[in-house]
Amino acid sequence: DIVMTQSPDSLAVSLGERATINCKSSQGVLYSSNNKNYLAWYQQKPGQPPKLLIYWASTRESGVPDRFSGSGSGTDFTLTISSLQAEDVAVYYCQQYYTIPITFGQGTRLEIK
Amino acid sequence: QVQLVQSAAEVKKPGASVKVSCKASGYSFTNYYIHWVRQAPGQGLEWMGWINPDSGGTNYAQKFQGRVTMTRDMSISTAYMELSRLRSDDTAVYYCARARGDYVVFWGQGALVTVSS
Repeated sequence: DIVMTQSPDSLAVSLGERATINCKSSQGVLYSSNNKNYLAWYQQKPGQPPKLLIYWASTRESGVPDRFSGSGSGTDFTLTISSLQAEDVAVYYCQQYYTIPITFGQGTRLEIK
Repeated sequence: QVQLVQSAAEVKKPGASVKVSCKASGYSFTNYYIHWVRQAPGQGLEWMGWINPDSGGTNYAQKFQGRVTMTRDMSISTAYMELSRLRSDDTAVYYCARARGDYVVFWGQGALVTVSS
């Protein structure tokens, strides 16, 4: 199984500041035939199901604010929130869908400083 | 709009089985895989498997092989996940989620399954 490891486990950032969450996979998730990284990012608020933010490592889902961006390739990925808003308080998960079983990172809790 | 409406919360005794339903609307049910993901209280997300609503084909995480069965009823656009031989550590919110190609986009509201004697 591909192990997804996120860092940090929790993060406190001031409103308007940048938040950065890292995700490392135990093996590469780049499919060479289409040059796509099979990596997604989800946001989960308390009592709600996860919400897709980013897929193919860097493609923003429709309706997601452009302050959210994804980057990286191979085994190392980053989710960046350029200017933190109060409504961004949540737990964030990376997920690989390169191979079965699909696996998630352990989650990163983002709070306001 | 795409909607996935799941069945209500359930309380089960250890050793029993539970069957969670997921009714889809707003799209063609047979065109997109349905995944099942669970989340124990205060914990992260754990993928259980998927079902192809068109063919009925399934792919389960090895951890759940032999205990999980995913089915569908195309006539009512509903997917089901049945988990047997329940243990206390199966207490979790069970989500169904619809894929778009290779990744999951739309999620149901979740169904809490509590396993307690």
